[in-house]
Parts: sequence; C-alpha cells; structure tokens
Amino acid sequence: DSGVTQTPKHLITATGQRVTLRCSPRSGDLSVYWYQQSLDQGLQFLIQYYNGEERAKGNILERFSAQQFPDLHSELNLSSLELGDSALYFCASSVEGSPGELFFGEGSRLTVL
Amino acid sequence: GQQVMQIPQYQHVQEGEDFTTYCNSSTTLSNIQWYKQRPGGHPVFLIQLVKSGEVKKQKRLTFQFGEAKKNSSLHITATQTTDVGTYFCAGIPSGTYKYIFGTGTRLKVLA
Repeated sequence: DSGVTQTPKHLITATGQRVTLRCSPRSGDLSVYWYQQSLDQGLQFLIQYYNGEERAKGNILERFSAQQFPDLHSELNLSSLELGDSALYFCASSVEGSPGELFFGEGSRLTVL
Repeated sequence: GQQVMQIPQYQHVQEGEDFTTYCNSSTTLSNIQWYKQRPGGHPVFLIQLVKSGEVKKQKRLTFQFGEAKKNSSLHITATQTTDVGTYFCAGIPSGTYKYIFGTGTRLKVLA
C-alpha cells in the first residue's frame, strides 16, 4: 500500500460525458502528479501540483482540467469524453516538488463507450 | 518536445539469463529514476540516480547513469520469475519539475 488513494477504481461512461477522478496523496506529501496510461502503453505526464499551485504541465488536453485543494487532495476533471480517453489514470505524490520518489495510487480505470 | 525512449520494448528471457534495458533522453536530465510495474499493478519506485556516471546496485539489479546525463541502463543478473513486469525509467529534464517516463520495457521470464 503506497498510501495514495484514488477513487473510483473503475468508471464506465459514454462519449460526451464528464467525469471527475479523485486522489488523496500520502500524508505529508505536498506534490500531486497525474499520469495517463493507455492500454499497454507508457505513462503520459498530464499535470503536477505543488501545495495547491500548478507547477508543471504536460500533454494535457484542453478538455481536461485539474486542481489541488487546500487539504492537498486533487481532482482530475475529464469532459466531452471520447473513446480515446479510455485509459488508466494514475495519481502519484511526493514530499516535495522534485526530485524525489513518486508514490503511485492504484489508478482509476476509465472506459468510454 | 522532451522524450525518453527505452529499448527494447519487449524482452523474453529464460529464467537465469541476464536482462538489460536502456533509456535515452533527448535532453540532459537532472536525475533519473527507475520504476517497476507488475502486470495489473501500479509503478513502484526502484532507485534514483543523480550524479553523472553514477552506478548503484540493489542485489541482482545494477543501475547506471550516463556521463552526459542523457542515458541510463538497468541490468538484472540471473533473472527470476518474480522479475516479470514493465520497467520504466523516469527523467527530470534539467530546469523543469516534470517527471518524463520512458516508453517502458516489458520483461517476461520463462521458467
């Protein structure tokens, strides 16, 4: 158990819909990272937050947005969903901005039908 | 854009054989990390290398960071079935906070 909690574990929805994925980092970790992993693919960096502020942005689509709240949990919002958005979405946390070990959650598997 | 490539993409070995995966970045990295993802699991941190030319060992695993800080390798001696999984390198390009993951090498070990 990494200490990072992601909900929901599985989500099935239809094209055009909007979903929210939630992540609670390890206690004391200030940084949260979001990654997308499509079937049998690598980990695509989406976005990083540090203590409530956006610190780095990767290949995140305009239809996607995220935020980190004062209690340090984070949410990733995916809207106008397309079939290609089906993937495993991982949240990771670390104590500081970088460098440092990333602790990954179990992931949220999104299926868009 | 910043890319981190890994080769090979797949590797099947007989149990007891050695295995090596290579990681190459298009830009200089401030550090590099290695992660292992078991089938159906999430990535788990293995090690971090920071210094140019650094070599670290963990039991049967040997990690190297290149002199130019643009490449790295992971070598497993005498593979075991428990080594099965996908190995990812993750580099932080100098001057950024982004962890860019490599494309991964999927290792299968045949008993």
